[in-house]
Amino acid sequence: DQQVKQNSPSLSVQEGRISILNCDYTNSMFDYFLWYKKYPAEGPTFLISISSIKDKNEDGRFTVFLNKSAKHLSLHIVPSQPGDSAVYFCAAAGYGQNFVFGPGTRLSVLP
Amino acid sequence: DGGITQSPKYLFRKEGQNVTLSCEQNLNHDAMYWYRQDPGQGLRLIYYSQIVNDFQKGDIAEGYSVSREKKESFPLTVTSAQKNPTAFYLCASSGTGDNQPQHFGDGTRLSIL
Repeated sequence: DQQVKQNSPSLSVQEGRISILNCDYTNSMFDYFLWYKKYPAEGPTFLISISSIKDKNEDGRFTVFLNKSAKHLSLHIVPSQPGDSAVYFCAAAGYGQNFVFGPGTRLSVLP
Repeated sequence: DGGITQSPKYLFRKEGQNVTLSCEQNLNHDAMYWYRQDPGQGLRLIYYSQIVNDFQKGDIAEGYSVSREKKESFPLTVTSAQKNPTAFYLCASSGTGDNQPQHFGDGTRLSIL
């Protein structure tokens, strides 16, 4: 049973527009969430995090939104750039627990 | 530069052979992790270690072994008991305490000859 789901395997967006990547979780004990970006043949790179005491965290072009009641988080990238084309993973953990990773969404930003 | 170094980048294993994947970090992190990535799946935890000389099984530890003799190093051995070893292996480290993101190496791709 997947505790962290990313239901869109892929997403294509035009350069300059907004990219919205979604993540859903089932475990109500999760209270810390991360987004990672991964290029082929490289390790994931940490992008942004959010804890359950917040509903929004922003870092430059990247904003993560958390809706605890819906057990849903999303990553917004504005404006999208061709270099953002990668696989994006969300991950979640509860206190004292290891992270659980979603299967990833492949983002393609078209010039 | 601080970071995590995994070697080799590509590794080939013959049937019945054990192979060891190297992971070294100079971030002074206490915790280290090994994950396996298969196509279309998220990262699955193989083993983790919160402190030197101690490690715990993750979700898919069967057919794997680890050691943590030094803080900087956390090698993973893929044994002949692992029947489906072809995958991309990722090592990560983090500080201890709550809300610590993990930092990853660039991975090792293991294939069977």
